[in-house]
Amino acid sequence: SYELTQPLSMSVALGQTARITCGGNNIGSQSVHWYQQRPGQAPVLVIYSDRNRPSGIPERFSGSNSGITATLTISGAQAGDEADYYCQVWDSSTGVFGGGTRLTVL
Amino acid sequence: EVQLVESGGDLVQPGRSLRLSCAISGFTIGDHAINWVRQAPGKGLEWVGFIRANAYGGTPGYAASVKGRCTISRDDSKSVAYLQMYSLKTEDTAIYYCTREVVGVPGEFDVWGQGTTVTVSS
Repeated sequence: SYELTQPLSMSVALGQTARITCGGNNIGSQSVHWYQQRPGQAPVLVIYSDRNRPSGIPERFSGSNSGITATLTISGAQAGDEADYYCQVWDSSTGVFGGGTRLTVL
Repeated sequence: EVQLVESGGDLVQPGRSLRLSCAISGFTIGDHAINWVRQAPGKGLEWVGFIRANAYGGTPGYAASVKGRCTISRDDSKSVAYLQMYSLKTEDTAIYYCTREVVGVPGEFDVWGQGTTVTVSS
């Protein structure tokens, strides 16, 4: 079965750029979606199909995907961006989530 | 407004069955695949299964971890999707979310419910 690998945690200083990676075999050929989950809340889609932002998601969220790594970039991180982030793909009619990355904003 | 509202979560004993419901509003349920995702306490998200949109046959699919112990169905007349779980195990303890999948984009879940909690314990 397909697997996605994310760092367990990372931190970023307020106003700086955070880059959260998601590794997978030839993930560049997949369509990657990213979800943000704040404590006690349901997940929210923040990036779809590698690099697209849903309506209402701030421009500081962006995505890229190539080779064996997809990346969620948060430019100018805010305190409200502190959350768990999950990458996700659809493989062989099955949903696959990465293990999640806890982002701390210092 | 597009909404999904889960219900049916409960404390159940191992080996018992439980049916979760996902009531939708703001869109036509048969036009979208409905997916179920769960999250065990302190853990990450795990995809459970889905039911395809009518345009794609309306058939279900399941994760290997629950295949044979779950049935996903939908009542279009009531705008409700269901997750029926059998032979529950302690490791099925989790918050269960239903999600709407964007038409034609497998795996893109644009709207989530607030979740319902299932606790499996003796």
